[in-house]
Amino acid sequence: QAVVTQEPSLTVSPGGTVTLTCGSSTGAVTSSHYPYWFQQKPGQAPRTLVYDASKKHSWTPARFSGSLLGGKAALTLSGAQPEDEADYYCLLSDTGPWMFGGGTKLTVL
Amino acid sequence: EVQLVESGGALVQPGGSLRLSCAASGFTFSTYPMHWVRQGPGKGLVWVSRISGDGSSTNYADSVKGRFTISRDNAKNTLYMQMNSLRVEDTAVYYCAVQRSGNVYWGQGTLVTVSS
Repeated sequence: QAVVTQEPSLTVSPGGTVTLTCGSSTGAVTSSHYPYWFQQKPGQAPRTLVYDASKKHSWTPARFSGSLLGGKAALTLSGAQPEDEADYYCLLSDTGPWMFGGGTKLTVL
Repeated sequence: EVQLVESGGALVQPGGSLRLSCAASGFTFSTYPMHWVRQGPGKGLVWVSRISGDGSSTNYADSVKGRFTISRDNAKNTLYMQMNSLRVEDTAVYYCAVQRSGNVYWGQGTLVTVSS
């Protein structure tokens, strides 16, 4: 089974921009992986921010955007806010087993 | 509104057994594959198991294969996970989850602690 890789930790300044990435050990991440991005804050269940690589829900803040970039899925946060400090997980899925990345701890400082 | 409510988590000794349940509502349960995902203390999300909508197909992570059994009762809109031969490393919050309409819906999780 593939290993899904994310940056363990990133730091962004308030108002700054940061990109989180999600790669696969088996090759390029494509739209066929239907990439998801979740945000999880302490003591809470994860919340979907992005699905199918770039689609957003009505509750997803406009400052978050998803894309496929250089063979990876990417989540870009533009104009970071203190409330964006959280853990972020990507998920690669198809019709079978799910594959989660190890998560990125994002600090807004 | 989709709702998933897990139950059954407890403190259990190594080698023991436990059955988790997940009561689902707000969607046509039998239509959707269901998943169990766990999160150890201070750790990331780890996929555990999946079952097809009709229950005929199942998948497991290597770490639980042969010890855990996923099942569902579509008449009761309930998902289960039978956990046998539990190990200390199975300690985690266990979430049930469903992928529907571009969203992944999660329950609130139930805590399983394996310790002597």
